[in-house]
Amino acid sequence: DAGVTQSPTHLIKTRGQHVTLRCSPISGHKSVSWYQQVLGQGPQFIFQYYEKEERGRGNFPDRFSARQFPNYSSELNVNALLLGDSALYLCASSLEWPSYNEQFFGPGTRLTVL
Amino acid sequence: DAKTTQPPSMDCAEGRAANLPCNHSTISGNEYVYWYRQIHSQGPQYIIHGLKNNETNEMASLIITEDRKSSTLILPHATLRDTAVYYCIVRSGPDSWGKLQFGAGTQVVVTP
Repeated sequence: DAGVTQSPTHLIKTRGQHVTLRCSPISGHKSVSWYQQVLGQGPQFIFQYYEKEERGRGNFPDRFSARQFPNYSSELNVNALLLGDSALYLCASSLEWPSYNEQFFGPGTRLTVL
Repeated sequence: DAKTTQPPSMDCAEGRAANLPCNHSTISGNEYVYWYRQIHSQGPQYIIHGLKNNETNEMASLIITEDRKSSTLILPHATLRDTAVYYCIVRSGPDSWGKLQFGAGTQVVVTP
């Protein structure tokens, strides 16, 4: 079975632009979470979605938004990009919510903001 | 949420057991201990989790002290492919079911 997939793998944007990152969860998984990982640090939680509804939000500005589609795939949108948004963006899927099911991570999208 | 403390780095010889400590002195009764690892430039990988009993799977063993204030992840026979950053995470619920709070982790280097 395919794992969590993310696209694109790499992306270069300039300050002020908008970006959309995409994630497809493992088949059968209904919950998707997004994390940001700045170089040298652990991943930081951004959002969790389950059944197309937001179930959790981390401490990120309103420039960050996300949504989940009926097929459980998800998009993360970031507006008005700043240099500090340069990071690896990770998507994780899990079977259900709420639960202590483990989260399975994708390979990430490397975003560079110039 | 409870926080964890891990050593920033440790070395291990190939073929030997690697014992990774984690302190979580403020853990509460319904909080689980999770371990993930992240090999360079990849997404984190789930290893194991437990509440209060010791756990073992094909990757590792998790030993949790009786007072639950600390735990140890054991990689029984480390290989070069085990070189990674290892994260110990205390997972709360229900308000944060989906949120994993990663710290800085322990950089483990397995040497030949």
